[in-house]
Amino acid sequence: QQQVKQSPQSLIVQKGGISIINCAYENTAFDYFPWYQQFPGKGPALLIAIRPDVSEKKEGRFTISFNKSAKQFSLHIMDSQPGDSATYFCAASRGDKIIFGKGTRLHILP
Amino acid sequence: NAGVMQNPRHLVRRRGQEARLRCSPMKGHSHVYWYRQLPEEGLKFMVYLQKENIIDESGMPKERFSAEFPKEGPSILRIQQVVRGDSAAYFCASSPRGGYTFGSGTRLTVV
Repeated sequence: QQQVKQSPQSLIVQKGGISIINCAYENTAFDYFPWYQQFPGKGPALLIAIRPDVSEKKEGRFTISFNKSAKQFSLHIMDSQPGDSATYFCAASRGDKIIFGKGTRLHILP
Repeated sequence: NAGVMQNPRHLVRRRGQEARLRCSPMKGHSHVYWYRQLPEEGLKFMVYLQKENIIDESGMPKERFSAEFPKEGPSILRIQQVVRGDSAAYFCASSPRGGYTFGSGTRLTVV
C-alpha cells in the first residue's frame, strides 16, 4: 500500500521557471509533511516542512501548498536554478516514522 | 557538531557473506531509523530503534536482516547471507524526535 503518492517521476524545467511537484496522501492521521532534497551520492536533506493547520509555507524560493480536504500537497520552486537539480521526496508522518514518496528527479536546464 | 555518520560508504560482498552497516547518530539524538533505497524507488522504511530497544521493525524482511542500537556505540544493521537483491543504498537517520537528519548512506553491492 503506497501511502504517499508523488508525481511526476521526472521533471525538466528551464532556468528561471517554476518547478512543481505534487503529492497525495491517504492517512488522515498524518500531521507532518516534510520535503527532502537529495543530490547524487548524498543522503536526503530536509528542505521545508509543513503541518496541516496552515495552507502554505514559504522559505526563500521554496513554497509548500497544502490542501487538507483534498489530502494533497505540493512543492513549488520559484526561479529554478541549475543547482536545484536533484531528487525531491515528499513525505508524511504521524509520530516518529516518516513515509516517503518515490521521488521526483528534477533537472533544470541552464 | 558532526552529522549522522555512516560507514562504510561503499561495501562489496559476495553472495552468502554477511554485511554490517554502522550508523552513529548525531550527538544527543536517541532515535535511529534505517531506510533502504533502490534505483527509481523511494526510501523504504526498515526499522526504528531507540537505545537498546527496537520500536518498530515493520519494514524489516523477516529473515536475514537484524538491527540493534546498543547502549554504547553505533547502531548496526546486519544482513546475513546476502543475495543480489540486497544491493541498494542503506540510509540511517537520527532525530531527537521527528525531523530526521540523514547520513550519507552505505552503498551495498552484492556480487
